[in-house]
Amino acid sequence: KNQVEQSPQSLIILEGKNCTLQCNYTVSPFSNLRWYKQDTGRGPVSLTIMTFSENTKSNGRYTATLDADTKQSSLHITASQLSDSASYICVVSSDLAGNNRKLIWGLGTSLAVNP
Amino acid sequence: DGGITQSPKYLFRKEGQNVTLSCEQNLNHDAMYWYRQDPGQGLRLIYYSQIVNDFQKGDIAEGYSVSREKKESFPLTVTSAQKNPTAFYLCASSLTGISYEQYFGPGTRLTVT
Repeated sequence: KNQVEQSPQSLIILEGKNCTLQCNYTVSPFSNLRWYKQDTGRGPVSLTIMTFSENTKSNGRYTATLDADTKQSSLHITASQLSDSASYICVVSSDLAGNNRKLIWGLGTSLAVNP
Repeated sequence: DGGITQSPKYLFRKEGQNVTLSCEQNLNHDAMYWYRQDPGQGLRLIYYSQIVNDFQKGDIAEGYSVSREKKESFPLTVTSAQKNPTAFYLCASSLTGISYEQYFGPGTRLTVT
């Protein structure tokens, strides 16, 4: 069964600290993996998209890694800011038969950055 | 200023009434999507459209209907047949196809009592 599991479910850190969020997937066949940031009551905003051949991708203070062999990804946030408080969602795109594609969404990690 | 707009932000309806949620984009994207988000669940695809006058059911299409008469617009109607319509509804668009990056609107929170 195609699944995307994220950990931890929630996380509280102090402003200025770093943190790493995890995403494990069992999706096959794999097309790409995305990380989204979703503020409460708002739509998700894309942070990174990674294909099979990409190991690391950065977007400012956000760095995503992908290990396609172990089917694991991580999102590292450096020098956290209060505005980083949000839900971070991992999404995997799968190329199905007949040129169909499907997105499998994780449940997200809720991050709270406290002053 | 390009982007996706959804209106209204909050919507209240009585049970048994149909309601239409608006979604407009000026990104010149071919594909548009409707998702539903419930607490403790990942986003679930309701309908998607890859081209004008064509759309396909997603994973949870029952009780919903859509139209795609213009490239810029993809309204979603929540019908009285939808058993649990109260949710946060998100519209998205992408250049073409589901593998491409999706851009989301701000969402509409629908409450049915």
